[in-house]
Amino acid sequence: GDSVTQMEGPVTLSEEAFLTINCTYTATGYPSLFWYVQYPGEGLQLLLKATKADDKGSNKGFEATYRKETTSFHLEKGSVQVSDSAVYFCALSDPGGKLIFGQGTELSVKP
Amino acid sequence: NAGVTQTPKFRVLKTGQSMTLLCAQDMNHEYMYWYRQDPGMGLRLIHYSVGEGTTAKGEVPDGYNVSRLKKQNFLLGLESAAPSQTSVYFCASSYSMTANYGYTFGSGTRLTVV
Repeated sequence: GDSVTQMEGPVTLSEEAFLTINCTYTATGYPSLFWYVQYPGEGLQLLLKATKADDKGSNKGFEATYRKETTSFHLEKGSVQVSDSAVYFCALSDPGGKLIFGQGTELSVKP
Repeated sequence: NAGVTQTPKFRVLKTGQSMTLLCAQDMNHEYMYWYRQDPGMGLRLIHYSVGEGTTAKGEVPDGYNVSRLKKQNFLLGLESAAPSQTSVYFCASSYSMTANYGYTFGSGTRLTVV
């Protein structure tokens, strides 16, 4: 079945460092791809999405490009802030439209 | 504020006890979902509902039951709790079955079964 694999965390960065969180997927068909963010003590929030190959989703300085040839949707940010510390989940929509999540990657940004 | 509200936020149960988790949404969403979140495993779908009076099994339904008697509420029940059900439970709702519209999540219920 469809699945999502993310790089293991935790990832620890200094403020203003460049961030990459890798995400690859296995799917039948052409799913939509998502990044969700979970701040401490809160539920998940949609960060960005891409619905077809070569689309780039972006929000709050984060970007991810839907790469069909490498089945990837890596999350990037040029300069992270302490406030970006959170758990990030990559997800895809299965053929029925439901979300399938990766295992999550914890990001910790130090001042 | 509009959104998804989960109650309770925390609960400790003894093995064999039963309980019901309540999820309420005020966005008139048709679709509602229950996930559990475990370390290193992400979120896994327990049950979901595509409308009032309907429910369906997700990836990990065993040991849980659900009901959707009213459109705005989705209840998750544990009839006989087991330590393996210690987890954080999230409810979510969406306007459309197509995930492209995004899900709105509640803030979670942390359940410990001892």
